[in-house]
Amino acid sequence: AQKVTQAQTEISVVEKEDVTLDCVYETRDTTYYLFWYKQPPSGELVFLIRRNSFDEQNEISGRYSWNFQKSTSSFNFTITASQVVDSAVYFCALSEARGGANSKLTFGKGITLSVRP
Amino acid sequence: NAGVTQTPKFQVLKTGQSMTLQCAQDMNHEYMSWYRQDPGMGLRLIHYSVGAGITDQGEVPNGYNVSRSTTEDFPLRLLSAAPSQTSVYFCASGQSLHTQYFGPGTRLTVL
Repeated sequence: AQKVTQAQTEISVVEKEDVTLDCVYETRDTTYYLFWYKQPPSGELVFLIRRNSFDEQNEISGRYSWNFQKSTSSFNFTITASQVVDSAVYFCALSEARGGANSKLTFGKGITLSVRP
Repeated sequence: NAGVTQTPKFQVLKTGQSMTLQCAQDMNHEYMSWYRQDPGMGLRLIHYSVGAGITDQGEVPNGYNVSRSTTEDFPLRLLSAAPSQTSVYFCASGQSLHTQYFGPGTRLTVL
């Protein structure tokens, strides 16, 4: 069975601080996908990134970066120089690649990030 | 493209009432799914469909029915609403179950 753990429930930082959101996952499959979604106060789910289990390269997109480490089953998300607009709930998710119901997204419980001015 | 649309945005029901949450997508996606989001629980899969005429249960299917008569539409039916079904419901579509575009959500309250 697949599982995603986001141990941090709430994080509060001051604007311009860097912040890392942790994600640890469990799966028996060797092929899987990892995701991060953002849910701002308006409520919609915004897709941020998808990472294939075979691609351990870290990724940077502007102020966002992701660190994927298979050895520790982690897929952490760092926001550099945080801004008030980054305030949201962030979800990490896992999907196995076998097809059918096993391809469903399994979400962590989410991390509420508050960025204070 | 409108993407994934959901109606209504908000709904209040009384216990025992039935209703249908509508979901439509205009991206010709084969895969569609329904999730519910509860505080501290993340999102959990209710039902999903891998194509017109094909549906299957997810993690929390009890109390819900779905059908997929067309590629575009995937309605979620609550047969007899219960307070435990108070939640935010998200519909999603994609070319696979693991790459999904989410709708804006429906906030449902059952009194």
